[in-house]
Amino acid sequence: AQRVTQPEKLLSVFKGAPVELKCNYSYSGSPELFWYVQYSRQRLQLLLRHISRESIKGFTADLNKGETSFHLKKPFAQEEDSAMYYCALSYILTGGGNKLTFGTGTQLKVEL
Amino acid sequence: EAQVTQNPRYLITVTGKKLTVTCSQNMNHEYMSWYRQDPGLGLRQIYYSMNVEATDKGDVPEGYKVSRKEKRNFPLILESPSPNQTSLYFCASSLVPNTEAFFGQGTRLTVV
Repeated sequence: AQRVTQPEKLLSVFKGAPVELKCNYSYSGSPELFWYVQYSRQRLQLLLRHISRESIKGFTADLNKGETSFHLKKPFAQEEDSAMYYCALSYILTGGGNKLTFGTGTQLKVEL
Repeated sequence: EAQVTQNPRYLITVTGKKLTVTCSQNMNHEYMSWYRQDPGLGLRQIYYSMNVEATDKGDVPEGYKVSRKEKRNFPLILESPSPNQTSLYFCASSLVPNTEAFFGQGTRLTVV
């Protein structure tokens, strides 16, 4: 079955340190992958998607089909990066149509 | 303003008392879905809808119903709520599943 795995429930880093949030997926077709972020008391919002290949708030994510990974990275963590991060996979269903499925999320805590 | 609106934001109810959580979007999106967010389990999809009168089960549909009579509305119905349905619920919409999903503010439901 298609799934998204985020192995870390909590990741704690110091301000200025590099950040890497891991995401692995299982899907035999061509995946559409996303990172969503949920700041405290706010709704989930899109951070970035692999197809756009852009950097948002200093974050980047590269799709590695060989390792089936889509890790989120930032070279220098900022305090305002503290949030819950979800990796998501959009895939085509056998009978037609698409579905979006999320990982379990990683809580990033940036300490001073 | 383009948005997804859920009501109510907070709800405390008793076991067995039918309730409906409304979800409305003003972006003319075709794809809508409901998720529940539980600690350690992330976002799990309850039901989704590809378009009007087209709904399908997600990963955790038991105990829930939905309807999609109009494009903009996608209510979540709990016919006989039970305490294990205590959770934070999110509605989301997107043009199609592999584009950006817009989320509602969330509904915190407590069933006693």
